[in-house]
Formats: sequence, C-alpha cells, structure tokens
Amino acid sequence: GQQVMQIPQYQHVQEGEDFTTYCNSSTTLSNIQWYKQRPGGHPVFLIQLVKSGEVKKQKRLTFQFGEAKKNSSLHITATQTTDVGTYFCAENTGGFKTIFGAGTRLFVKA
Amino acid sequence: NAGVTQTPKFRVLKTGQSMTLLCAQDMNHEYMYWYRQDPGMGLRLIHYSVGEGTTAKGEVPDGYNVSRLKKQNFLLGLESAAPSQTSVYFCASSYGGDTQYFGPGTRLTVL
Repeated sequence: GQQVMQIPQYQHVQEGEDFTTYCNSSTTLSNIQWYKQRPGGHPVFLIQLVKSGEVKKQKRLTFQFGEAKKNSSLHITATQTTDVGTYFCAENTGGFKTIFGAGTRLFVKA
Repeated sequence: NAGVTQTPKFRVLKTGQSMTLLCAQDMNHEYMYWYRQDPGMGLRLIHYSVGEGTTAKGEVPDGYNVSRLKKQNFLLGLESAAPSQTSVYFCASSYGGDTQYFGPGTRLTVL
C-alpha cells in the first residue's frame, strides 16, 4: 500500500542547532502535509505543499517539496526548546484519507 | 468554539468489555476520522465518515465499529476489547477533506 517513510526516527540537538526531517515515497505524491505533535498533545496541522519544487517558510521553519514530488523536508533553523515534539509528514490521498509517516521525534537540549 | 472534543480522556478496560468513545466537533465539518496512535507507528486510520449517516473503513478497522448519526458527532465502539487495542485514539475533522483538526485524544488501556 501507499507509504510515506520518514527519517530519522529520533533526533537530539543542542538548542540553537538546526534540524531537518525527511519524508520519502516510492510513488509520486499528490501533496504533502506536515503536522507537529507536542509531547502528550495532539497533532496540529502546520502546512500543505502541492506544487513540484514548492518551498514555504513559517518563521524558522522551511518546508520543501521535491521536484519529482517523491520527497519532502522540514528544516528548523536555530532550534528552541519550544520545538520539541514529533513531526509527521502525511499525504492526503483524496477520498478524504490521509496517510501519515511514522514521525520524527525531536529532542532539544537547553 | 471548542473545536474537536473527545470523551473520555482516559479509560481502563478488561479484556472482553465494551465501550464507546465519543467525538464532537462544532466547526460544521463534513468529514470526521478516527485514528489510533501506537509508539513508532504514527497515526493509523480506523474509520472515517464523509457526512452524516455515512461511514467507511480505514487502514485498521477490525474490532471497531462507528456511527455518525449526527453531523457533529462521530462514535467509535469497541464491542469486545482486546489488549492489542491498547492505544491512544484521536478523532479528527476536516471541512474539505484536507486540513485535519485533531481532538485531544483518549488513552485506552485494555488489561
């Protein structure tokens, strides 16, 4: 079935360091969504990318959709302790279904 | 607006017991979803609904039933709970089938 693979599974960074998580698919993605889940919380929608090569920014977060629409990345510049949590990528497959990756859990040491 | 709410927040069941999880949304969304989240496995879709009176199976529907009698409510039922159903359950809703808004979750333990 359809799958989106995320790497790494975990990442430990020192506060102020950059962080990147990657999402890959063997098939062309219709779109890519990114969600953040704080520890003990629920997933919160961050952004959706649709176009090939699309790049969007939200303050220190940069989201990229690959030219072939088979991969995506989320990059956080100068991490802060408020960035801790799990970041999920997902594909909205139409038919109102969304396929989630397993997530990358970010730990930030002050 | 309360957004998406879920009851209960926590529950402990014995194997074979039944229970119903309630999800309610006040955003007039057509689409509602039930997911389970297990460590290292992300979110897996159990069932979803594209409107009042309609339901459909997701990725892992076995052992669960759902009902959408009212547009704002989506119920998830476990008829005979099993330890493999120990998980965190999230409800979500969306307007156009894209951006999903999640509830706070229900942590279920089956002994």
